Amino acid sequence: EVQLVESGGASVQPGRSLRLSCAASGFTFDDYAMHWLRQVPGKGLEWVAGINWNSDNINYVDSVKGRFTISRDNTKNSLYLQMNSLRADDMALYYCAKDGGLINPLYYFDFWGQGTLVTVSS
Amino acid sequence: SYVLTQPPSESVAPGQTARITCGGNNIDNENVHWYQQKPGQAPILVVYDSSDRPSGIPERFSGSSSGNTATLTITRVEAGDEAGYYCQTWDGTGDHPVFGGGTKLTVL
Repeated sequence: EVQLVESGGASVQPGRSLRLSCAASGFTFDDYAMHWLRQVPGKGLEWVAGINWNSDNINYVDSVKGRFTISRDNTKNSLYLQMNSLRADDMALYYCAKDGGLINPLYYFDFWGQGTLVTVSS
Repeated sequence: SYVLTQPPSESVAPGQTARITCGGNNIDNENVHWYQQKPGQAPILVVYDSSDRPSGIPERFSGSSSGNTATLTITRVEAGDEAGYYCQTWDGTGDHPVFGGGTKLTVL
C-alpha cells in the first residue's frame, strides 16, 4: 500500500524558513518523480514543485522560484521542501504526491499524503 | 498561461448522472486528469489521461474530451460522491501542471 506522510508544517513569521519532509513507503521510491502541491483551506489546488527520480530535472511554480528548494533522498525514501523567505501567501496545506509515470514524469498525481499545514503570520 | 475553467457547483439527485465540465483552449489535445476531494481529505485521482481509470475507481466514473471541453461523468450518483472535483492538465506555456478552480458536487 502506497503511503506518503508529510511532516514539518508549523506556524512561522514572514521571512522565516521551514523544511517539510515526506516519508514514502509501499512503492519503489526511486522509480518515480515526486511533487509538492498546496491548498489554501477552502480554496483550490496548486502545484508547487516537482523532482524526477534522480533529481536532474527539477521545476517550480513561478511564485516560489528562488525561495523554495525541492530535494529527495532515495536512500531514505524521502522528499523534502526547503521553504525560505516565507510570505503570507505561502500559507497553505502542503501535500506530497507521487507522479503517475514510471521513471519519466507524467505530471499527474496518483497518490497523495494527508498534508502538513504551514501558517505564516506575524 | 493555460486556464482551466470549472463551474463552482453542480447538483444532482441520487441515481442520476452528473457531468462536471472543464473548459480550456483545445483541451481535447491535452491529457486531462480528474481528482475527487472530500472535506478534510486529500485528493484522490479518479481519471487520468482524459479517460483512463486508476485501479479501484468504480466504472461509474468516466472521462471524455471534445473541442474546448473535458467532462467527468459520474453515473448512478451516490451520496458518497458528494465532493469537490478538480481537473488538471499541463500548462505548456508556463511549463507546469495547472488545475481548474474546482466544482463542488452536491447530491440532493
